[in-house]
Amino acid sequence: DAKTTQPNSMESNEEEPVHLPCNHSTISGTDYIHWYRQLPSQGPEYVIHGLTSNVNNRMASLAIAEDRKSSTLILHRATLRDAAVYYCILTGDNQGGKLIFGQGTELSVKP
Amino acid sequence: NAGVTQTPKFRILKIGQSMTLQCTQDMNHNYMYWYRQDPGMGLKLIYYSVGAGITDKGEVPNGYNVSRSTTEDFPLRLELAAPSQTSVYFCASSSSHRTGVDTQYFGPGTRLTVL
Repeated sequence: DAKTTQPNSMESNEEEPVHLPCNHSTISGTDYIHWYRQLPSQGPEYVIHGLTSNVNNRMASLAIAEDRKSSTLILHRATLRDAAVYYCILTGDNQGGKLIFGQGTELSVKP
Repeated sequence: NAGVTQTPKFRILKIGQSMTLQCTQDMNHNYMYWYRQDPGMGLKLIYYSVGAGITDKGEVPNGYNVSRSTTEDFPLRLELAAPSQTSVYFCASSSSHRTGVDTQYFGPGTRLTVL
């Protein structure tokens, strides 16, 4: 299975943008890039996903490198509520649609 | 819609006891999943189901059993509980009509301690 690599932790200041990186150098052509986040003591929640083009939704933006070997989740204005573990996951036909979670990036947001 | 609900929220078991973790979804999703999450780690897939009557093993199925008699319910059974099964258990569902595109919706989790 294609693997993702994320920093263990990152810090941000409230109301500033946050760029969370993810490397996936062995991504296959049919793998989608998904981001989930897990707030403290809660189940994971979907954030955003993409295949080749950059994507925006009400929660975040996803910037995908042209060679698709890396991507960046962008939170435009971090709030205290965005403090969570963020997981970058590849899923598609190769994984039978299943999600394989790594350890993610723990984002802390300072007031 | 309630989404994915799980009961109980917390449970303490003694070694060798058995229990069933309940999971129900009201989104008419075909796919359902059980994960466990050990402290400081990501989630690991225990079992999943692609529809009523169909289940399959995930990454860590040993010590667990599942059944799927209805679209809505996907209970996880622990037989002969062991301390290694102390974890937080999450149930999830997805429509999965398009592999790779569909998103999973997670329940709030059940925190299980085996002493």
